[in-house]
Amino acid sequence: NAGVMQNPRHLVRRRGQEARLRCSPMKGHSHVYWYRQLPEEGLKFMVYLQKENIIDESGMPKERFSAEFPKEGPSILRIQQVVRGDSAAYFCASQGDRLNIQYFGAGTRLSVL
Amino acid sequence: KNEVEQSPQNLTAQEGEFITINCSYSVGISALHWLQQHPGGGIVSLFMLSSGKKKHGRLIATINIQEKHSSLHITASHPRDSAVYICAASTGNQFYFGTGTSLTVIP
Repeated sequence: NAGVMQNPRHLVRRRGQEARLRCSPMKGHSHVYWYRQLPEEGLKFMVYLQKENIIDESGMPKERFSAEFPKEGPSILRIQQVVRGDSAAYFCASQGDRLNIQYFGAGTRLSVL
Repeated sequence: KNEVEQSPQNLTAQEGEFITINCSYSVGISALHWLQQHPGGGIVSLFMLSSGKKKHGRLIATINIQEKHSSLHITASHPRDSAVYICAASTGNQFYFGTGTSLTVIP
């Protein structure tokens, strides 16, 4: 069974560009969470999605950030007009319908030049 | 004040020592999670618990709901246990993370 797949592993963007981070959950999992880990800081919750629905986005910055989890395909975290402060590791985790432990992807490390 | 506090922040142990990492939380939780983040950055879920105690190999996690406290114990520690251990409280949809305990086990 493939685990949670995130791509790309590393992403470099210049200020003002868009960043798209992808997360394919474990097979059979319909719950996806996105977390951000800023340099030298702990993990912070960003958003919780189920298929085609955003359940809780209270951790998302108000502007430039959006997330989706379409019926088909991976979950996408999109950051528009990136700034240097967006440089971080972004982790995705998935969970089955029993809401048991979360399985984490390897993360995407975003660097904004 | 953070919703989840961990101690110690850093911990160095000799191989074979018994290790305890503590976690206190201030929110009402549906579950308490322990995660392990390796030096390469990958994160592994170790435990999810809402009461009592769970054991997996040399790792033991306990929780006291009344005191809002959880502990992670590692018996017979080994250098490969060196990692950052993170406590996280889930409250329905949201997760609150501690800042992590960086463990180094010296051979």
